[in-house]
Amino acid sequence: DGGITQSPKYLFRKEGQNVTLSCEQNLNHDAMYWYRQDPGQGLRLIYYSQIVNDFQKGDIAEGYSVSREKKESFPLTVTSAQKNPTAFYLCASSSPPGLRTSNEKLFFGSGTQLSVL
Amino acid sequence: GESVGLHLPTLSVQEGDNSIINCAYSNSASDYFIWYKQESGKGPQFIIDIRSNMDKRQGQRVTVLLNKTVKHLSLQIAATQPGDSAVYFCAENIGAQKLVFGQGTRLTINP
Repeated sequence: DGGITQSPKYLFRKEGQNVTLSCEQNLNHDAMYWYRQDPGQGLRLIYYSQIVNDFQKGDIAEGYSVSREKKESFPLTVTSAQKNPTAFYLCASSSPPGLRTSNEKLFFGSGTQLSVL
Repeated sequence: GESVGLHLPTLSVQEGDNSIINCAYSNSASDYFIWYKQESGKGPQFIIDIRSNMDKRQGQRVTVLLNKTVKHLSLQIAATQPGDSAVYFCAENIGAQKLVFGQGTRLTINP
Protein backbone atom coordinates (compact mmCIF):
# COMPACT_ATOMS: atom_id res chain seq x y z
CA ASP A 1 0.00 0.00 0.00
CA GLY A 2 2.75 2.46 -0.90
CA GLY A 3 4.37 2.54 2.55
CA ILE A 4 1.25 3.69 4.39
CA THR A 5 0.03 1.48 7.20
CA GLN A 6 -3.40 1.77 8.71
CA SER A 7 -4.49 -0.12 11.79
CA PRO A 8 -6.58 -1.82 12.82
CA LYS A 9 -8.20 -3.31 9.70
CA TYR A 10 -11.53 -3.58 11.53
CA LEU A 11 -12.70 -1.58 14.53
CA PHE A 12 -15.88 -1.60 16.54
CA ARG A 13 -17.12 1.32 18.57
CA LYS A 14 -19.56 1.27 21.43
CA GLU A 15 -22.00 4.11 21.82
CA GLY A 16 -20.42 7.08 23.59
CA GLN A 17 -16.91 5.80 23.04
CA ASN A 18 -14.02 7.55 21.36
CA VAL A 19 -11.85 5.42 19.10
CA THR A 20 -8.55 6.21 17.41
CA LEU A 21 -7.47 5.01 13.99
CA SER A 22 -3.77 4.77 13.33
CA CYS A 23 -1.96 5.91 10.18
CA GLU A 24 1.80 5.65 9.74
CA GLN A 25 3.84 6.37 6.62
CA ASN A 26 7.49 5.80 5.79
CA LEU A 27 7.46 7.68 2.49
CA ASN A 28 8.87 10.86 4.00
CA HIS A 29 5.77 12.70 2.78
CA ASP A 30 4.92 16.02 4.34
CA ALA A 31 1.19 16.03 3.70
CA MET A 32 -1.27 13.51 5.13
CA TYR A 33 -5.01 13.15 4.80
CA TRP A 34 -8.01 11.33 6.22
CA TYR A 35 -10.96 10.43 4.04
CA ARG A 36 -14.25 8.77 4.81
CA GLN A 37 -15.92 6.43 2.34
CA ASP A 38 -19.52 5.28 2.65
CA PRO A 39 -20.83 2.31 0.62
CA GLY A 40 -21.22 3.16 -3.05
CA GLN A 41 -19.89 6.66 -2.49
CA GLY A 42 -16.79 8.61 -3.25
CA LEU A 43 -14.25 9.82 -0.74
CA ARG A 44 -14.93 12.79 1.51
CA LEU A 45 -12.13 14.71 3.18
CA ILE A 46 -12.18 14.80 6.99
CA TYR A 47 -8.88 16.46 7.92
CA TYR A 48 -5.54 17.09 6.32
CA SER A 49 -2.11 18.15 7.47
CA GLN A 50 0.53 19.80 5.35
CA ILE A 51 3.32 19.84 7.94
CA VAL A 52 4.02 18.63 11.44
CA ASN A 53 2.02 20.34 14.20
CA ASP A 54 -0.43 21.80 11.72
CA PHE A 55 -3.71 20.52 10.31
CA GLN A 56 -6.88 21.83 8.67
CA LYS A 57 -10.49 20.76 8.63
CA GLY A 58 -11.81 19.13 5.52
CA ASP A 59 -15.40 18.98 4.37
CA ILE A 60 -16.76 16.73 7.14
CA ALA A 61 -14.59 17.39 10.21
CA GLU A 62 -17.39 17.51 12.78
CA GLY A 63 -17.13 14.65 15.27
CA TYR A 64 -13.50 13.95 14.43
CA SER A 65 -10.14 15.11 15.74
CA VAL A 66 -6.54 14.63 14.62
CA SER A 67 -2.99 15.33 15.72
CA ARG A 68 0.28 15.59 13.83
CA GLU A 69 3.07 15.39 16.36
CA LYS A 70 5.35 13.43 14.05
CA LYS A 71 5.84 13.56 10.31
CA GLU A 72 5.22 9.84 10.03
CA SER A 73 2.00 9.66 12.01
CA PHE A 74 -1.47 11.17 11.61
CA PRO A 75 -3.96 9.46 13.96
CA LEU A 76 -7.69 10.11 13.62
CA THR A 77 -10.01 10.03 16.62
CA VAL A 78 -13.67 9.39 16.01
CA THR A 79 -15.40 11.00 18.95
CA SER A 80 -18.76 10.25 20.52
CA ALA A 81 -20.03 13.42 18.83
CA GLN A 82 -19.89 11.62 15.47
CA LYS A 83 -23.36 10.09 15.40
CA ASN A 84 -22.92 8.07 12.23
CA PRO A 85 -19.36 6.75 12.35
CA THR A 86 -19.85 3.51 10.43
CA ALA A 87 -17.72 3.86 7.30
CA PHE A 88 -14.46 2.87 5.62
CA TYR A 89 -11.70 5.27 6.64
CA LEU A 90 -8.76 5.91 4.36
CA CYS A 91 -5.50 7.62 5.17
CA ALA A 92 -3.32 9.07 2.44
CA SER A 93 -0.12 11.01 2.03
CA SER A 94 1.47 13.09 -0.69
CA SER A 95 4.55 15.04 -1.58
CA PRO A 96 5.44 17.79 -2.26
CA PRO A 97 3.20 19.83 0.01
CA GLY A 98 3.34 23.14 -1.74
CA LEU A 99 0.06 24.90 -2.37
CA ARG A 100 1.20 25.88 -5.84
CA THR A 101 1.83 22.40 -7.01
CA SER A 102 -0.55 20.78 -9.38
CA ASN A 103 0.85 17.33 -8.83
CA GLU A 104 -1.10 16.14 -5.83
CA LYS A 105 -0.92 12.41 -6.34
CA LEU A 106 -2.12 10.71 -3.20
CA PHE A 107 -0.90 7.37 -1.90
CA PHE A 108 -3.49 5.51 0.14
CA GLY A 109 -3.38 3.03 2.97
CA SER A 110 -5.49 -0.11 2.97
CA GLY A 111 -8.21 1.40 5.12
CA THR A 112 -9.98 0.77 8.42
CA GLN A 113 -13.59 -0.40 8.54
CA LEU A 114 -15.29 1.14 11.55
CA SER A 115 -18.59 -0.25 12.75
CA VAL A 116 -20.87 0.60 15.66
CA LEU A 117 -21.84 -2.09 18.15
CA GLY B 1 -19.59 22.68 -3.24
CA GLU B 2 -17.58 21.49 -6.14
CA SER B 3 -18.52 18.11 -7.46
CA VAL B 4 -16.98 15.51 -9.67
CA GLY B 5 -19.54 13.11 -10.98
CA LEU B 6 -19.77 10.10 -13.20
CA HIS B 7 -22.26 9.45 -15.94
CA LEU B 8 -22.75 5.76 -15.08
CA PRO B 9 -22.48 4.04 -11.71
CA THR B 10 -21.86 0.59 -13.25
CA LEU B 11 -20.27 -0.69 -16.44
CA SER B 12 -20.13 -4.27 -17.70
CA VAL B 13 -17.82 -5.26 -20.54
CA GLN B 14 -16.70 -8.47 -22.18
CA GLU B 15 -13.22 -9.67 -21.44
CA GLY B 16 -10.91 -8.44 -24.17
CA ASP B 17 -13.06 -5.48 -25.10
CA ASN B 18 -12.11 -1.88 -24.45
CA SER B 19 -13.68 -0.04 -21.52
CA ILE B 20 -14.47 3.64 -21.34
CA ILE B 21 -15.29 5.21 -18.00
CA ASN B 22 -16.53 8.79 -17.99
CA CYS B 23 -16.37 11.60 -15.49
CA ALA B 24 -17.82 15.11 -15.46
CA TYR B 25 -16.30 17.81 -13.31
CA SER B 26 -17.71 21.16 -12.34
CA ASN B 27 -14.73 23.31 -11.32
CA SER B 28 -13.29 24.97 -14.40
CA ALA B 29 -10.28 26.13 -12.37
CA SER B 30 -9.14 22.57 -11.64
CA ASP B 31 -5.71 22.01 -13.13
CA TYR B 32 -4.92 18.39 -12.34
CA PHE B 33 -6.92 15.20 -12.59
CA ILE B 34 -6.31 11.66 -11.43
CA TRP B 35 -7.89 8.28 -11.97
CA TYR B 36 -7.83 5.76 -9.14
CA LYS B 37 -8.74 2.07 -9.04
CA GLN B 38 -10.19 0.61 -5.88
CA GLU B 39 -10.59 -3.09 -5.32
CA SER B 40 -12.97 -4.37 -2.67
CA GLY B 41 -11.76 -3.72 0.88
CA LYS B 42 -8.61 -1.93 -0.27
CA GLY B 43 -7.42 1.62 -0.62
CA PRO B 44 -7.49 3.37 -4.01
CA GLN B 45 -4.51 2.86 -6.25
CA PHE B 46 -3.19 5.49 -8.63
CA ILE B 47 -3.70 4.64 -12.30
CA ILE B 48 -2.91 7.71 -14.35
CA ASP B 49 -3.01 11.48 -14.10
CA ILE B 50 -3.26 14.42 -16.45
CA ARG B 51 -2.67 18.14 -16.17
CA SER B 52 -5.02 20.72 -17.61
CA ASN B 53 -2.50 21.78 -20.26
CA MET B 54 -2.85 18.36 -21.88
CA ASP B 55 -5.80 16.67 -23.55
CA LYS B 56 -4.51 13.12 -23.69
CA ARG B 57 -2.10 10.95 -21.80
CA GLN B 58 -1.32 7.28 -22.28
CA GLY B 59 -0.07 4.66 -19.91
CA GLN B 60 0.15 0.92 -20.06
CA ARG B 61 -3.23 -0.20 -21.49
CA VAL B 62 -4.83 2.98 -20.16
CA THR B 63 -5.49 6.35 -21.73
CA VAL B 64 -6.95 9.44 -20.09
CA LEU B 65 -8.69 12.07 -22.19
CA LEU B 66 -9.48 15.55 -20.96
CA ASN B 67 -11.98 17.86 -22.63
CA LYS B 68 -11.86 21.18 -20.82
CA THR B 69 -14.49 22.74 -23.06
CA VAL B 70 -17.20 20.48 -21.71
CA LYS B 71 -15.40 19.64 -18.45
CA HIS B 72 -15.24 15.95 -19.19
CA LEU B 73 -12.67 13.33 -18.31
CA SER B 74 -12.53 9.74 -19.49
CA LEU B 75 -10.48 6.65 -18.77
CA GLN B 76 -10.01 4.11 -21.52
CA ILE B 77 -8.80 0.63 -20.67
CA ALA B 78 -7.66 -1.46 -23.61
CA ALA B 79 -8.24 -5.22 -23.81
CA THR B 80 -10.02 -5.40 -20.47
CA GLN B 81 -8.93 -8.25 -18.22
CA PRO B 82 -10.61 -9.88 -15.19
CA GLY B 83 -8.13 -8.11 -12.93
CA ASP B 84 -9.52 -4.79 -14.09
CA SER B 85 -12.72 -5.42 -12.15
CA ALA B 86 -12.92 -2.67 -9.55
CA VAL B 87 -14.43 0.69 -8.78
CA TYR B 88 -12.81 3.54 -10.66
CA PHE B 89 -12.76 7.08 -9.29
CA CYS B 90 -11.81 10.29 -10.95
CA ALA B 91 -10.52 13.13 -8.80
CA GLU B 92 -9.77 16.77 -9.47
CA ASN B 93 -7.34 19.09 -7.75
CA ILE B 94 -9.29 22.17 -6.75
CA GLY B 95 -6.29 23.81 -5.13
CA ALA B 96 -5.12 24.16 -1.54
CA GLN B 97 -4.01 20.53 -1.66
CA LYS B 98 -7.56 19.26 -1.90
CA LEU B 99 -8.74 16.53 -4.19
CA VAL B 100 -12.44 16.13 -4.88
CA PHE B 101 -13.47 12.60 -5.74
CA GLY B 102 -16.31 11.45 -7.93
CA GLN B 103 -18.85 8.85 -6.85
CA GLY B 104 -17.10 6.03 -8.69
CA THR B 105 -17.96 3.56 -11.46
CA ARG B 106 -18.00 -0.16 -10.82
CA LEU B 107 -16.44 -2.03 -13.74
CA THR B 108 -17.47 -5.66 -14.14
CA ILE B 109 -15.78 -7.98 -16.62
CA ASN B 110 -17.86 -10.69 -18.24
CA PRO B 111 -16.02 -13.85 -19.35
